Amino acid sequence: QKEVEQNSGPLSVPEGAIASLNCTYSDRGSQSFFWYRQYSGKSPELIMFIYSNGDKEDGRFTAQLNKASQYVSLLIRDSQPSDSATYLCAPQRGAGNMLTFGGGTRLMVKP
Amino acid sequence: DTAVSQTPKYLVTQMGNDKSIKCEQNLGHDTMYWYKQDSKKFLKIMFSYNNKELIINETVPNRFSPKSPDKAHLNLHINSLELGDSAVYFCASSQVGGVYSYEQYFGPGTRLTVT
Repeated sequence: QKEVEQNSGPLSVPEGAIASLNCTYSDRGSQSFFWYRQYSGKSPELIMFIYSNGDKEDGRFTAQLNKASQYVSLLIRDSQPSDSATYLCAPQRGAGNMLTFGGGTRLMVKP
Repeated sequence: DTAVSQTPKYLVTQMGNDKSIKCEQNLGHDTMYWYKQDSKKFLKIMFSYNNKELIINETVPNRFSPKSPDKAHLNLHINSLELGDSAVYFCASSQVGGVYSYEQYFGPGTRLTVT
């Protein structure tokens, strides 16, 4: 079992729809959970992070965390073509802020 | 102002050569990292330094040697390059402290191609 699992996609949604990206992790010691967006040929950039069970909203983005189920998700409302990218889930644990990245989900938003 | 910079951006070299990649951050962070992203886009931590001290050293061949002359710089030297070392190498930095973590800022990446 991989430490962090994401559906590789591509996940295709029409413009204006809600995109739902899911991630499961195996390390119960994970404390914080980061979502990064990576455009092709670019470096990862932080979308948001969450560390408490429940929902956290930031603009069009909502992160959801369920530590009992070892599950974290990212919802993107009113999806735009500019949201088309690979989304990386990364639980954090231990000293040094170590992130373990999933393989990413490629999102395609069609106009 | 570039927060995390890497040089070179592209590196093409032959098997068996030795090469270095440099990284600098001007964010005042105390922790820096090296990641490798392979052709399947899987991003994996290699090393981390906190205030010039090695704190994370994942299962990386001994041919890879990080060096941190000060907390704003973290260089990666690779000896005897192999075809499998071809990848994009990202440097990142963050401020570490407390129970919960802070964002890691990534550099633009160095695309290494070994022929």
